[in-house]
Amino acid sequence: DQQVKQNSPSLSVQEGRISILNCDYTNSMFDYFLWYKKYPAEGPTFLISISSIKDKNEDGRFTVFLNKSAKHLSLHIVPSQPGDSAVYFCAAPIQGAQKLVFGQGTRLTINP
Amino acid sequence: DAGVIQSPRHEVTEMGQEVTLRCKPISGHNSLFWYRQTMMRGLELLIYFNNNVPIDDSGMPEDRFSAKMPNASFSTLKIQPSEPRDSAVYFCASSLRGGAGNTIYFGEGSWLTVV
Repeated sequence: DQQVKQNSPSLSVQEGRISILNCDYTNSMFDYFLWYKKYPAEGPTFLISISSIKDKNEDGRFTVFLNKSAKHLSLHIVPSQPGDSAVYFCAAPIQGAQKLVFGQGTRLTINP
Repeated sequence: DAGVIQSPRHEVTEMGQEVTLRCKPISGHNSLFWYRQTMMRGLELLIYFNNNVPIDDSGMPEDRFSAKMPNASFSTLKIQPSEPRDSAVYFCASSLRGGAGNTIYFGEGSWLTVV
């Protein structure tokens, strides 16, 4: 039962353009969402989060949008840089628990 | 500040052998998590501890897997006997329960190959 889904396993974007990574969820009780970034041979690192009471959160080049009615969130990176090439995971905490459930990840490649 | 420390970074073992993965969480963190990453299932939670006590082990695949946390600064994940399908990257992570935003901090992972 995949409660958080990332349906695009990979995405390729030209440097300087906008990267948009998508995530869908099935559990309407989720009240918080996180994005993690993972480089090869490293552990995932926290990138940005959003509470369910908001529809947008921005941090520099990174913006996360939440559409609760569609149970959809997206991560926008603009402008995209070569160092953004990584695997991106969306995640949500199980309500009342601490454990995070993760999507399968999307591999982003930024082309020069 | 030291992050989550895992060992070994890489392990190649033969089917049937025992494998022990080790983790030192971030000092002061009181929650510890073991995750496994595979191509098919992505990142899946195996087990987590609060204050050294196992809270949820529903993600542990089967009885061949066991995890312990004898104190606040050390945890092990053991696989006995190991099988080729156990080949994956195993991540340990820690967090401060009640800390901001449910953020958890991952180690660099232990890459396990069972042949």
